[in-house]
Amino acid sequence: GDSVTQMEGPVTLSEEAFLTINCTYTATGYPSLFWYVQYPGEGLQLLLKATKADDKGSNKGFEATYRKETTSFHLEKGSVQVSDSAVYFCALKGGGADGLTFGKGTHLIIQP
Amino acid sequence: SQTIHQWPATLVQPVGSPLSLECTVEGTSNPNLYWYRQAAGRGLQLLFYSVGIGQISSEVPQNLSASRPQDRQFILSSKKLLLSDSGFYLCAWRSGRASTDTQYFGPGTRLTVL
Repeated sequence: GDSVTQMEGPVTLSEEAFLTINCTYTATGYPSLFWYVQYPGEGLQLLLKATKADDKGSNKGFEATYRKETTSFHLEKGSVQVSDSAVYFCALKGGGADGLTFGKGTHLIIQP
Repeated sequence: SQTIHQWPATLVQPVGSPLSLECTVEGTSNPNLYWYRQAAGRGLQLLFYSVGIGQISSEVPQNLSASRPQDRQFILSSKKLLLSDSGFYLCAWRSGRASTDTQYFGPGTRLTVL
């Protein structure tokens, strides 16, 4: 079945550091790929998405590129802020069941 | 614009008690609706989804059930809670149009079973 693998962390960085959170997936066909963010005590918010190979999703300074050859969708940001502290989930929508398949989430902590 | 509501926000229930969590969506018609559970160390797991009134698909066999009595209302229930039912329950919706994959999540319900 479909699966998503991502580093769980916590990942601790200093403010203005460069961020990479790795995400790789296994799926049949051509899934859509997503990054969601969860701030403490809240639900999930869509951060960005990509629906086909080589697409780049971007939002709020975050970027991720759909790499079919490496089955990856790594999240990057050039300069993180304390307000970026949250849990980040990589997810895919395959061609099978209607729901999303999520990774376990990466807890990101940004220190001033 | 569309909004999604969940209640209650937090709930503490004894083992063996019943459960009813409610989710409603505003600003859209014929949405696909979903229940997910986020348990410690296990990420998010899809529990149920619905493509229309009275239509429920279960992804994981367990002591939970779901119902959709109205187009924009989705209910998660249990007759007898287990300790393992503790977690953060998230409702989500997406447009019923097949061309849209993006799901939008509610604020969640934190359930603690003691």
